[in-house]
Amino acid sequence: AQTVTQSQPEMSVQEAETVTLSCTYDTSESDYYLFWYKQPPSRQMILVIRQEAYKQQNATENRFSVNFQKAAKSFSLKISDSQLGDAAMYFCAYRGYTGANSKLTFGKGITLSVRP
Amino acid sequence: GAVVSQHPSWVICKSGTSVKIECRSLDFQATTMFWYRQFPKQSLMLMATSNEGSKATYEQGVEKDKFLINHASLTLSTLTVTSAHPEDSSFYICSALWTGPEKLFFGSGTQLSVL
Repeated sequence: AQTVTQSQPEMSVQEAETVTLSCTYDTSESDYYLFWYKQPPSRQMILVIRQEAYKQQNATENRFSVNFQKAAKSFSLKISDSQLGDAAMYFCAYRGYTGANSKLTFGKGITLSVRP
Repeated sequence: GAVVSQHPSWVICKSGTSVKIECRSLDFQATTMFWYRQFPKQSLMLMATSNEGSKATYEQGVEKDKFLINHASLTLSTLTVTSAHPEDSSFYICSALWTGPEKLFFGSGTQLSVL
């Protein structure tokens, strides 16, 4: 079974600074998807960024980028120019391509606070 | 982006009653939807996978007779918590799979409180 590990329960960053959230996963599959989701106090899950494992290029969405290391099974999220609105819980997630592996497996999440 | 509507946002019910939660994909057809449960400051726990026109697949430890899932159309899945008890109080979230390109969109969640 796939597992997703987020070992840091909490992190804090100064506004306008950069922060990196760590995530590792375990899988025997070669093709899969990786995601970072944001859950603000409203509890609405928001897709931050998505990476397909067959793509070597790291995904980027404005201030958000990932460092995807397939061999190391590592998928970290970098938030640049942090804003107060970035404060939320962040979940790393894995999804396989087919069958029982196609369900989304979440890490435990990390609470990010942004200091003004 | 695609929109998934979940209703109600919150519900309070008496112990022993049943509660139905609806999840609708408003602008796309979703053959697959997922139901999650989330406790405060914890991760989302997958309860079941709902496939249109077939029986839901439940995760280990989830009582299928207590949490009834129906996915009767390509845009609607429902979760019914039968004979609810206080321990069923939780935040329930649905998500719908969009396959072009493949992305998962979430509803806004339902906070269930059983008295």
